[in-house]
Amino acid sequence: SQKIEQNSEALNIQEGKTATLTCNYTNYSPAYLQWYRQDPGRGPVFLLLIRENEKEKRKERLKVTFDTTLKQSLFHITASQPADSATYLCALPPSGSARQLTFGSGTQLTVLP
Amino acid sequence: DTGVSQDPRHKITKRGQNVTFRCDPISEHNRLYWYRQTLGQGPEFLTYFQNEAQLEKSRLLSDRFSAERPKGSFSTLEIQRTEQGDSAMYLCASSSDRGLESNQPQHFGDGTRLSIL
Repeated sequence: SQKIEQNSEALNIQEGKTATLTCNYTNYSPAYLQWYRQDPGRGPVFLLLIRENEKEKRKERLKVTFDTTLKQSLFHITASQPADSATYLCALPPSGSARQLTFGSGTQLTVLP
Repeated sequence: DTGVSQDPRHKITKRGQNVTFRCDPISEHNRLYWYRQTLGQGPEFLTYFQNEAQLEKSRLLSDRFSAERPKGSFSTLEIQRTEQGDSAMYLCASSSDRGLESNQPQHFGDGTRLSIL
């Protein structure tokens, strides 16, 4: 069956360091992958989309990689700040659907001052 | 604010009652999605509309759940005969339709939190 796995535990890092979050998937061949940020009590907010033919995408302090051979995406936040503390979700379109997204369970990131 | 809005933000009801939630998407978006999210999990897809047509439904969507988007603008999600397991955050999202592109980001509302007593 299709599965998405993110870092299973919460991630704590020191302010100024680079946070690296992992998204692994099995039994998928997605055309793209998206990353979202979610704060407590709020809906997810779109951050980045990376297509299967792109190895890397950057936006300000954010960087996403997409390795379709390893079936893995890495999400990096450089020069992390306490305001980056949130849950980060990866999402892919499931096989057979062009519209809906299947989300991982998320990684809770805490940036310590 | 022209984001996705959901109403109500919180709903507490007794088991067996019917509840209805409303979603107003971003005005120029013709795609609308409903998801359900429980604590510690990511959102789970429930259903998708392209304009007023309901094109995809999850197997999670039992016959107690019904969604409508009568004029292709706002949408409602109704749960009949609520059960304790229906307690969750119900999220609505919308996206634009640029030609045949299917990978547009989804814009989420802040959800309706349903608690079944």
